[in-house]
Amino acid sequence: AQSVTQLGSHVSVSEGALVLLRCNYSSSVPPYLFWYVQYPNQGLQLLLKYTTGATLVKGINGFEAEFKKSETSFHLTKPSAHMSDAAEYFCAVPNTGFQKLVFGTGTRLLVSP
Amino acid sequence: EAGVTQFPSHSVIEKGQTVTLRCDPISGHDNLYWYRRVMGKEIKFLLHFVKESKQDESGMPNNRFLAERTGGTYSTLKVQPAELEDSGVYFCASSRGQGGYGYTFGSGTRLTVV
Repeated sequence: AQSVTQLGSHVSVSEGALVLLRCNYSSSVPPYLFWYVQYPNQGLQLLLKYTTGATLVKGINGFEAEFKKSETSFHLTKPSAHMSDAAEYFCAVPNTGFQKLVFGTGTRLLVSP
Repeated sequence: EAGVTQFPSHSVIEKGQTVTLRCDPISGHDNLYWYRRVMGKEIKFLLHFVKESKQDESGMPNNRFLAERTGGTYSTLKVQPAELEDSGVYFCASSRGQGGYGYTFGSGTRLTVV
């Protein structure tokens, strides 16, 4: 069965520092991969997704993620954190039947001044 | 186009009461999904409608949960009677095609059972 593992339930960075949120996937086939973000008191918003083609995917708000098949990883990065990036981030992968998404447990990003 | 709309945004009810959550998908999206996140856990799939038919309800926790999608438009999720462990955020999502390509989520309903 498809699954994703997010390392670290909380990540703290200073404003201006590099953001790195980790996601490893378990998939028997080349996957689609997603990062969603939930800002405080808001719904889930698609940040970026990998389908096929270029392994470096750019998303909204300056985030990007790189698909590394050899490492079964899809880590999310942003060169310089902003206070407004404080949110919870979820990695997800489609299930085998490609009808629903399987989510990781989420990583809460805390940004300090 | 309008997004996925859910209401209420918050609901606080007592144990044993009934609550009904509503989701209006994006117009023209045949696929509608319900997910739930309880405190600190992952977001879990509850069920999937294609138009008015339940395609997959393998994630529904028990028979206290009833989902409907009459006419293939909006959907309701009723919890009767509510228990403390039902507290969490209930998300609805919709898509035109297969969900594996990703879908649009609503803002969620935060349910608190006291």
